[in-house]
Amino acid sequence: RKEVEQDPGPFNVPEGATVAFNCTYSNSASQSFFWYRQDCRKEPKLLMSVYSSGNEDGRFTAQLNRASQYISLLIRDSKLSDSATYLCVVNPQGAQKLVFGQGTRLTINP
Amino acid sequence: GAVVSQHPSWVICKSGTSVKIECRSLDFQATTMFWYRQFPKQSLMLMATSNEGSKATYEQGVEKDKFLINHASLTLSTLTVTSAHPEDSSFYICSAWLAGGSNTGELFFGEGSRLTVL
Repeated sequence: RKEVEQDPGPFNVPEGATVAFNCTYSNSASQSFFWYRQDCRKEPKLLMSVYSSGNEDGRFTAQLNRASQYISLLIRDSKLSDSATYLCVVNPQGAQKLVFGQGTRLTINP
Repeated sequence: GAVVSQHPSWVICKSGTSVKIECRSLDFQATTMFWYRQFPKQSLMLMATSNEGSKATYEQGVEKDKFLINHASLTLSTLTVTSAHPEDSSFYICSAWLAGGSNTGELFFGEGSRLTVL
């Protein structure tokens, strides 16, 4: 079983729609969780950290469910510029070393 | 925000040659840097952890004699792909961890280096 699993998609949704991704992780001792965004042929960039209580940043909401070992990302009122690959990232060892999921490819259509 | 610079951005070389990629933390000191490799439509795979002043720690299945890592200063790590072959063609990305408080922090990535071996 992979340490971090995501549905690779692709997801094609119309502009303005709400879309959500889930990601599961295998190490129950994982301490930190992140969503990164990666555009084609570019480096990943931090979208948001995921906190135990859930957190929101504008149109983006992240949730953590430790009992079921998954995290989610919700994008509301999607924009064309949201088209990218979204990487679920987990820190299984408490410091610095991050494990990346395969990424979920999202395309927002006009 | 913190910046990690990586170059070259892309390189094309002949099979059998060696290629060096540099990763620099521009406005912070990084005792630890990470090297990832990403094949098309696949996830980033950690290759090795580069430690300033000591040997790198390689992930299982990564040949340390083929992928030489040097971390001679707090702001520079280099990855040398020795005797490159076409199967080494990939997107190589470095990153450095900028620690915050209370075991928090953020991982900053270089722009990546696309290697094509002919």
